[in-house]
Amino acid sequence: DGGITQSPKYLFRKEGQNVTLSCEQNLNHDAMYWYRQDPGQGLRLIYYSQIVNDFQKGDIAEGYSVSREKKESFPLTVTSAQKNPTAFYLCASRLAGAGTGELFFGEGSRLTVL
Amino acid sequence: GENVEQHPSTLSVQEGDSAVIKCTYSDSASNYFPWYKQELGKRPQLIIDIRSNVGEKKDQRIAVTLNKTAKHFSLHITETQPEDSAVYFCAASSTQTGANNLFFGTGTRLTVIP
Repeated sequence: DGGITQSPKYLFRKEGQNVTLSCEQNLNHDAMYWYRQDPGQGLRLIYYSQIVNDFQKGDIAEGYSVSREKKESFPLTVTSAQKNPTAFYLCASRLAGAGTGELFFGEGSRLTVL
Repeated sequence: GENVEQHPSTLSVQEGDSAVIKCTYSDSASNYFPWYKQELGKRPQLIIDIRSNVGEKKDQRIAVTLNKTAKHFSLHITETQPEDSAVYFCAASSTQTGANNLFFGTGTRLTVIP
């Protein structure tokens, strides 16, 4: 069953702790993306990667980090430097260079900072 | 960069009525305009898209129109049903720039009243 899988679905973190959200896809897509979703603010791009071992900052990259060591995986680390990390995080992927291609989303990870 | 504005933020219609959601964009280079539907607790999914070489596209009860001169595009849902209740996001991207990133609107929460 092809798709994009995010884990964990729910995560609680204490202030000052880093946390890593997992994103795995078996669609053979080159491009992967992380979005943050807050009520009334739509989907904002955190980081994206067009190819393995390369990634770029999106609109709200401060306080986040990513890696792209494998084509299938694009984990996102929410660091303690992120001032307001409580949010719903969505990972997505699509074919590289497919500017008009469908973006496939994972089911999301909801992070709550206590 | 691209700026996509979406209106209204919330919309309630009676079952069977039509619903219209409007978006404007700022970058004249944008040439691809998808619409995503996100049901409560689920991932966003592509429902229809349009490219800048056409003015209108229909798929059963949904249609999208594009006015390149005015830089706006709209989603039309006819004969609305309760299962149309969801958050709808418009987006825009340009295939002429390297990243081909999608820029999303802030979303419209549609409620269809039975």
